[in-house]
Formats: sequence, structure tokens, C-alpha cells
Amino acid sequence: QKEVEQNSGPLSVPEGAIASLNCTYSDRGSQSFFWYRQYSGKSPELIMFIYSNGDKEDGRFTAQLNKASQYVSLLIRDSQPSDSATYLCAVNPASNFGNEKLTFGTGTRLTIIP
Amino acid sequence: DAGVTQSPTHLIKTRGQQVTLRCSPISGHKSVSWYQQVLGQGPQFIFQYYEKEERGRGNFPDRFSARQFPNYSSELNVNALLLGDSALYLCASTPSGVETQYFGPGTRLLVL
Repeated sequence: QKEVEQNSGPLSVPEGAIASLNCTYSDRGSQSFFWYRQYSGKSPELIMFIYSNGDKEDGRFTAQLNKASQYVSLLIRDSQPSDSATYLCAVNPASNFGNEKLTFGTGTRLTIIP
Repeated sequence: DAGVTQSPTHLIKTRGQQVTLRCSPISGHKSVSWYQQVLGQGPQFIFQYYEKEERGRGNFPDRFSARQFPNYSSELNVNALLLGDSALYLCASTPSGVETQYFGPGTRLLVL
């Protein structure tokens, strides 16, 4: 079992709709969770992080965490063509600062259809 | 403020050669991490340094080494290059007191 699993896609969503990206992780002790966006040929760009169970909203983005189910998701509302990218889920099992080590999924390729 | 910077942006080497990649973190960030991203995969953790001390090492052979300097910049060295080392090498820096990592533009290494 991979440590962090994502559906590789591609996921196609009409412009203006909600895109839902999912991620599961195997280490039950994981403490912090991150979503990165990566455009083709570019480096990952941090979108959101979440530490506690529940929802966290930032603009059009909402991260959802369920530690009991070992599941984290990212919702993108009012999807725009500029949201077309690969979305990487990353997990940090450490809770102490100074021991950052992110484990990434393989990413989900999202395409927003105009 | 300037983001994480990396040099060079692109590099072509042949098998068996050695390469040094450089990273300057965001001003004030004391933690630097290195990742390797092979095409079609997510980044894979190589090393993490904090205050010049190695805090973490991923599952990479001893051909990979790194160090951090007093100004918190860092170098990643790879010896005896293999074709499989061809990848995007990413450096990330982390501000004190938080766990979020900010990535540089990466160095794209091609081994022929």
C-alpha cells in the first residue's frame, strides 16, 4: 500500500463547477496535511494546509480532513481554466518543527473544460 | 521578498559524472529540504537540514549528500550519476515555528 494515494486522473470538470480531489494516507499518526498545485514544467505551489479534523476554507478552496478515515480532500469551487494543473497531496507524519519530511502522492491531473 | 532560488535551472551530465545543485532559502528561513521528482511522480524526500544539522534523510543511496551553510543556503551533491537520476530536483524552505514548505523553481537534471 502506498503511503499517500491519489487518483491520477485525469479529472475533467466543466468551468464553474466544483472540482473534488481526494487523498488517502496510511500512517495513522500523520499530523499535518498539505495540498500543492503544480503546473506543467513548474515547481509545486502551496495552496492549503490543514491540521485538524473538519473543513478549512480559503477563497475558492476548501480542504477537508478526516483522521479517523485517513482521508483528506480538496474542493475547488467555481472552477476556472487556470485551475487546470496537477494537484499534489502531501502528508507530514512529524508533529515537531524541525523535522519536516513530506510524503507526496503521485498527484491528480485536473482539467477544467471551458 | 524573494522566494527560494535554485541554480542552475537546467543541467545535462553523462553517466558517472558528479553534480552539485544549489539552493538559497527565503530570507529568515532556517530549514531547507531537498526532493527529487521523476516525471509523472510526486516529489520524493531526499534530505532535510535545519541550522546546518541534518534532520532527516530519505531512502536514497550514499551517492547523494548535502550540506547547509551558515547563511542557510544548501548544496545537494550526487556522485556517480545514473540515468535514473534524471529528474527535477526541488529545494524547499520552511519558516521557523511552522511546517509549511515553500518550493523553489527546481533544477532539471538530465543524465545521458
